Amino acid sequence: DIQMTQSPSSVSASVGDSVTITCRASQGISSWLGWYQQKPGKAPKLLIYGASNLQSGVPSRFSGSGSGTDFTLTISSLQPEDFATYYCQQANNFPLTFGGGTKVEIK
Amino acid sequence: EVQLVESGGGLVQPGRSLRLSCTASGFTFGDYAVSWFRQAPGKGLEWVSFIRSKAHGATTEYAASVNGRFTISRDDSKSTAYLQMNSLKTEDTAVYYCSREGTTIFGVIIHHAFDIWGQGTMVTVSS
Repeated sequence: DIQMTQSPSSVSASVGDSVTITCRASQGISSWLGWYQQKPGKAPKLLIYGASNLQSGVPSRFSGSGSGTDFTLTISSLQPEDFATYYCQQANNFPLTFGGGTKVEIK
Repeated sequence: EVQLVESGGGLVQPGRSLRLSCTASGFTFGDYAVSWFRQAPGKGLEWVSFIRSKAHGATTEYAASVNGRFTISRDDSKSTAYLQMNSLKTEDTAVYYCSREGTTIFGVIIHHAFDIWGQGTMVTVSS
């Protein structure tokens, strides 16, 4: 199975800050990576697919990059609605696996 | 409105069975692969199972933790996917979500990325 390691596990930031979350795969997954946002008590929401493609309707302050084993999600100019937990998910093969999550908290 | 709605969760004793349903509306359900995920209380997301569309053979995939106990199926005439859960264990306690394998705005399938999710249904396995 492909292990996905996210860091940091949590980050405190202020509105307007830029935040970068990293995700590392235990083996190469090309660009088969998605990023999801989840708020408490809600279902996950797809933000980025194919490592760098913005899902329709997602604000452009979200961006993704990387390929192979190392990936990043950047949120530029954090907004109040962005405080949530973010997960990466490898889409290369089964079993699909997620990173442990990064909680973005208000400083 | 494009949506998925799960149902069938509840409290069940260890060793018993439960069937979850995932009913779609607002899109042609049969054109899409569907997956089940779960999230134990206070924990991260875990993939559970996947079923391809009939056009791709309706073949299935399972996480090792549920293989042999859970069965995913679909009835496109009812726009519904199912997750039959047998021999339930306390560690199966979680919110279960169904989700649709996504497409781009041009209708191209997004490989194993999931764009529409249900609200989740809670399954509690306890004596």
